[in-house]
This record gives sequence, structure tokens and C-alpha cells, in this order.
Amino acid sequence: QSVLTQPPSLSAAPGQRVTISCSGNSSNIGNNYVSWYQQLPGTAPKFLIYDNDKRPSGIPDRFSGSKSGTSATLGITGLQTGDEADYYCGTWDSSLSAVVFGGGTKLTVL
Amino acid sequence: QVQLVESGGGVVQPGRSLRLSCAASGFTFSTYGMHWVRQAPGKGLEWVAVMSYGGSHTYYADSVMGRFTISRDNSKNTLFLQMNSLRAEDTAVYYCAKAFYPYHGGGPFDVWGRGTMVTVSS
Repeated sequence: QSVLTQPPSLSAAPGQRVTISCSGNSSNIGNNYVSWYQQLPGTAPKFLIYDNDKRPSGIPDRFSGSKSGTSATLGITGLQTGDEADYYCGTWDSSLSAVVFGGGTKLTVL
Repeated sequence: QVQLVESGGGVVQPGRSLRLSCAASGFTFSTYGMHWVRQAPGKGLEWVAVMSYGGSHTYYADSVMGRFTISRDNSKNTLFLQMNSLRAEDTAVYYCAKAFYPYHGGGPFDVWGRGTMVTVSS
């Protein structure tokens, strides 16, 4: 299984707010920056959040990130059907000397 | 625009070798660490390897250590992944990805290629 733990799936209605959690330990999330990626069906991952809470240019402010201790959270407000995708968290693991990802969360917008 | 294009995937028998390439354009390739990330069918992302901007530092996932070798040719703006002793569990789409910060080997990854499919099957 993945080093970082995410809920496998979530669902919410259009217009609502959803949060996706990502849990790790002191070797990864606890001492390194977290990034988030969105993967629409059949496409490559897309850069969504970096350094825990920063948005790359072009990413709407409906997407936000936060980190506390050994956990991180991705928030999405004003859900749209186009937000239906798999979302992954990632960070460096200092003990493994490797990049680690969460198992991914499939978001369904009902 | 910034672009990464992978090539070299295909169907290969277990135990054989394959070499993937990733052609980069639109940025100063020699100043960024570069990564390979794979995704098995219906599964999540799995990081494979990274090479520093100058090529002096490499790190690998335990699952490919000793079988895969990452390399780069900065004169040709190309990243490579030599895959030996391939196994069925190596079947995946292989993406190359660019590190966001220059002169920094780790993540995050701001640019991803479209991927190339590798199928290991007899």
C-alpha cells in the first residue's frame, strides 16, 4: 500500500465544498512540503498545489491546500462537474530518499 | 511552450529490456531535476526515479533499484530510463515529469508528459 494515506473515494454535489485528507509521518509530510495533483480520466496528472498551500498560476482559488503536523488537506469549493477526477498528494520521504504519493482519491460530483 | 514527450514504450517479454526517452522543450533542461513516475492500469501514481539537473545524483524506488537506470543528455534535452529484467508488475504508463524548482532534485512536478505505455507480457 501507499506510504501516504488518502480516502479512496469521496462524493459531493455541485456547488458544495469537499476536503481530501492525506496522512503521513515525520519522515515525509511532517518535515517536507506537500504537493497535490489532479488527474482527469485518461490524462496525465496536473500540478494543483505546491509547498503545502500555494497555487500555480492558472489554478483557480477554489482549490486550496493546508498542512498540520503529519497530515495535509486539499480543499475544493464551489464544486463543478469538471472537478470529477482522481486527486493525489505527494512529498519527499527523507527516510526512504524517495518521492512518495498517496493512493489517490476519486472525487465524484453528483 | 514547456513540453515533455515520452517515447519507447511497447510490449516486451518478461526478463527483457526496454529504453524509454523523454524529449524536453520550452525550458532550460539542464537546470532542472527530472523524474520518472509510473501508473499501472487502474492504479495510483508510483514514483520511479529522479536525476539531478547535472546528472550527478540519482535516487530510485526500491521496486526498481538495480534493474532500472535513469540518465540524461543535457546537450540533447533528453531524459532516459533504461529498464532491464522487466517483470509483469512493471506494466504501466510511464510519465516523465519536471521538477518545479531549478537546481532542486525533488518535487513538486509542474510539467508532465502524456506518458508511454509499457506492457510486460509473454
